[in-house]
Amino acid sequence: GAVVSQHPSRVICKSGTSVKIECRSLDFQATTMFWYRQFPKQSLMLMATSNEGSKATYEQGVEKDKFLINHASLTLSTLTVTSAHPEDSSFYICSVWRGPRETQYFGPGTRLLVL
Amino acid sequence: EDKVVQSPLSLVVHEGDTVTLNCSYEVTNFRSLLWYKQEKKAPTFLFMLTSSGIEKKSGRLSSILDKKELSSILNITATQTGDSAIYLCAALHNTNAGKSTFGDGTTLTVKP
Repeated sequence: GAVVSQHPSRVICKSGTSVKIECRSLDFQATTMFWYRQFPKQSLMLMATSNEGSKATYEQGVEKDKFLINHASLTLSTLTVTSAHPEDSSFYICSVWRGPRETQYFGPGTRLLVL
Repeated sequence: EDKVVQSPLSLVVHEGDTVTLNCSYEVTNFRSLLWYKQEKKAPTFLFMLTSSGIEKKSGRLSSILDKKELSSILNITATQTGDSAIYLCAALHNTNAGKSTFGDGTTLTVKP
């Protein structure tokens, strides 16, 4: 089945810095990838839909300028958290949807801690 | 606003017990209902339910969708400690292939 990787798996950064998280679809060309955020003991919240070759679609309440998404190829989407603050500390997970098999594959997630 | 509600939020049982987890949804452009198991990291896929009344089974887990009641249940029989996890259900939208709205999850703890 499709394998999705994320890098890094864990990152600690200082407040005010930017952090880039990569999501790769290893054996499937994904025109669409999804970015989720999960706070402790809460469910997954969809942040945005990443579309290859076009602008991402953001969910209500998610700041486009703070969470920059780039989907430059069919196998790579990146999420950049700009000027990160402690409240951005969370678990960020990407996923790809494999239409023919109708299955969603999640990446292993990236745990971000902003000090 | 699209909404998925799960109950109970948490559940503690003993090995061998049978549990039933509930999920209800109010989603425009509903396509399917998905169940996931989440342990320490990202969720793993369990079931996708599209048709009402057809039970899907995988080992000790089974699930069914009721489109009239806009709900689904996930049953786990003869629970084991390895079943301890958060169980998430999500409503798959008919637009924007793969877009899902998640419930808050049910945290299941199975004691030996």
